[in-house]
Amino acid sequence: DAGVIQSPRHEVTEMGQEVTLRCKPISGHNSLFWYRQTMMRGLELLIYFNNNVPIDDSGMPEDRFSAKMPNASFSTLKIQPSEPRDSAVYFCASSLWSGGQFFGPGTRLTVL
Amino acid sequence: GENVEQHPSTLSVQEGDSAVIKCTYSDSASNYFPWYKQELGKRPQLIIDIRSNVGEKKDQRIAVTLNKTAKHFSLHITETQPEDSAVYFCAALIIQGAQKLVFGQGTRLTINP
Repeated sequence: DAGVIQSPRHEVTEMGQEVTLRCKPISGHNSLFWYRQTMMRGLELLIYFNNNVPIDDSGMPEDRFSAKMPNASFSTLKIQPSEPRDSAVYFCASSLWSGGQFFGPGTRLTVL
Repeated sequence: GENVEQHPSTLSVQEGDSAVIKCTYSDSASNYFPWYKQELGKRPQLIIDIRSNVGEKKDQRIAVTLNKTAKHFSLHITETQPEDSAVYFCAALIIQGAQKLVFGQGTRLTINP
């Protein structure tokens, strides 16, 4: 079992650029979650999908953020345009119904 | 909505002593409570979980207790070791509609040799 896979692991970009983060959930899991973690705000749920359908995006900070899940094995989180305050570690996690979530290794994003 | 409160925010114990972290939740319908350990620079990892049909679960040096009436649950680590140093998060599962976890704020545990 490869676990949840995220790419890239590190991303450094300049303010105003588009950033795309990618996630491959554990095979067979039907729920996928995007989190953001910072020292100030801790672990925040941005959006989650069940069976590829977005269920709750109330945690998405603003319209600059968007997420898609075109199929059961792939999801993207896009930030356009990026800002320095978006700098954080972004985690993707997946789970089965009513089960524990398993986190990917995270993407450390730095926006200069 | 669901709210999970976690205490203490930091905890320092001597190696070999026990550590206890406590969480309370607000939604009485929550029925699944996992605990995560996050080491510096790493991902949160599921270390133990409990469902509402049991009151206690143990896995070697780690145990979790649940009091549904009082809506609180706790993590107990016995015979602590330096490698137990990490940030620990509790969580509660919301089951209204689709399911998501609500996390506590985290406890930074330091084991002093």
